[in-house]
Amino acid sequence: EAAVTQSPRNKVAVTGGKVTLSCNQTNNHNNMYWYRQDTGHGLRLIHYSYGAGSTEKGDIPDGYKASRPSQENFSLILELATPSQTSVYFCASGGSGNTLYFGEGSRLIVV
Amino acid sequence: GEQVEQLPSILRVQEGSSASINCTYENSASNYFPWYKQEPGENPKLIIDIRSNMERKQTQGLIVLLDKKAKRFSLHITDTQPGDSAMYFCAARITGNTGKLIFGLGTTLQVQP
Repeated sequence: EAAVTQSPRNKVAVTGGKVTLSCNQTNNHNNMYWYRQDTGHGLRLIHYSYGAGSTEKGDIPDGYKASRPSQENFSLILELATPSQTSVYFCASGGSGNTLYFGEGSRLIVV
Repeated sequence: GEQVEQLPSILRVQEGSSASINCTYENSASNYFPWYKQEPGENPKLIIDIRSNMERKQTQGLIVLLDKKAKRFSLHITDTQPGDSAMYFCAARITGNTGKLIFGLGTTLQVQP
C-alpha cells in the first residue's frame, strides 16, 4: 500500500502562533491533498496540489496556506492559528488511478 | 453542484445481518465512486470502489451499486461482523477534476453481537 507519512502526529499550539503540518509520500503520486475532519462535517478539502510547485484552493482554504516544494512533500501552514482550527488533519496522495491514500493524521489543538 | 449526501448518519444492525448505506451526488459528470472505512483513531482506508462504466461490483462481502440515472450509489455489507463496526465514507469524483474527491458526511456503523 502507498505510504503517506505525516508529522507531527500531535500538536498543541497557542492562538496566533504559526503551525506547519508536513506530509511526505514515497509513491511518486502527482496529486496530494490536505483534508480536515471534524464531527458532523466529515472530510473537508483545504488545499491540494497537482505536482511540485503547484497548489490549489480546496473547499475551505481560508486561514491556511500550502506548499509543494517537491513531488514527495506537501505542507499545510497555519500562519495565525485560531481555536477554530482545532481538528484532525489528513494528508492524502493519489495517482492516475483515482485512489487516495491517507496518512495517519495530525491532531492539532489550538489553545 | 458538488455535494454528496450520505444516509444514514448512524446505523445499528445485529451481527449476521446486512447493512446498507446510500449516497447521492449532484454532478452528472461524476465518474468514480470510492468507499472508505475509518476505524477509531485511524485513517480512512479504501475498501471498494466503482466507476461509471459499471452498475455493480462485489468483493469480500461488500457490494456496491451505482444508478447513474438517479445519481445514487450504495454500499451493502452482507453478514456483518463486529469488526465491520466503523465509520464509512462515500465519495465522488468529477470527470476532469484530477483526483479531487467530494466526501459524504459519513455513516457510523455499529454491529451488535
